Amino acid sequence: EVQLLESGGALVQPGGSLRLSCAASGFTFANYAMSWVRQAPGKGLEWVSGISGSSYTTYYADSVKGRSIISRDNSRNTLYLQMNSLRAEDTAVYYCAKVISDYNYVTFDYWGQGTLVTVSS
Amino acid sequence: QSVLTQPPSASGTPGQRVTISCSGSNSNIGSNIVNWYQHLPGTGPKLLIYNNHQRPSGVPDRFSGSKSGTSASLAISGLQSEDEADYYCATWDDSLNGSFGGGTKLTVL
Repeated sequence: EVQLLESGGALVQPGGSLRLSCAASGFTFANYAMSWVRQAPGKGLEWVSGISGSSYTTYYADSVKGRSIISRDNSRNTLYLQMNSLRAEDTAVYYCAKVISDYNYVTFDYWGQGTLVTVSS
Repeated sequence: QSVLTQPPSASGTPGQRVTISCSGSNSNIGSNIVNWYQHLPGTGPKLLIYNNHQRPSGVPDRFSGSKSGTSASLAISGLQSEDEADYYCATWDDSLNGSFGGGTKLTVL
C-alpha cells in the first residue's frame, strides 16, 4: 500500500526557515517523480515544486522560486522541501504527491495527508 | 489568482448530471493534458480524471472528463450525496509550472 507521510510543519516567524519531509513507502520511490502542493487557509490548491526520480530535474512555482529547494534522498525514501525567507503568504497545508509515471508534474495518483506551516510573528 | 478559471460553485440534486468547466489558454490547457481532483476537508485530494478523460482504477464511471481547445470539463452523472466536495482541474504550463484551477465547491441539494 502506497503511503506518503509529511512532517516538519510548524509555527515560524516571518523570514525564518523550515524543512518539510515526506516519508514514502509501498512503491519504488526512486522510480517516480514527486511534487509538493499547498493549500492556504480558505484558498485553493497551489502547485509548489516538482522533482524527477533521479533529482536531475527540478521545477518551482514563481511564488517560491529562489526561496525554496526541493530535494530527495532515494536511499531513505524521503522527499524534502527546504523553505527559506518565509512570508505570511506561505502559510498553508503542504502536501506531497506521487507523480504517475510518464506524466507531468501535476498528475498525481497518491497524496499525503498534509502538514501545516504557519508563518506568523 | 489562478491561471485556470473554474466556477466557484456548482450544485445539483441527487441523480442529476452536473458539469464543471475549466478554462485556460494555449500555453496550458491548449498544449497539455488536464487532470481533475476531488478534495474533501482534512484529506489529501483524490485523482478522478487524468490525461483529459482517463479514469483511475476505482473511480466510478459516473465521472467523466473532456477537453476541447483551451477548455476542459468534468461531468458527474447520477449525482450522489457523497460527491459533495471541492473539485480542481490541473495542468502543466509551457513555462514549466504546474497550475490548478481555483476550485469548484459542489453542493448536493
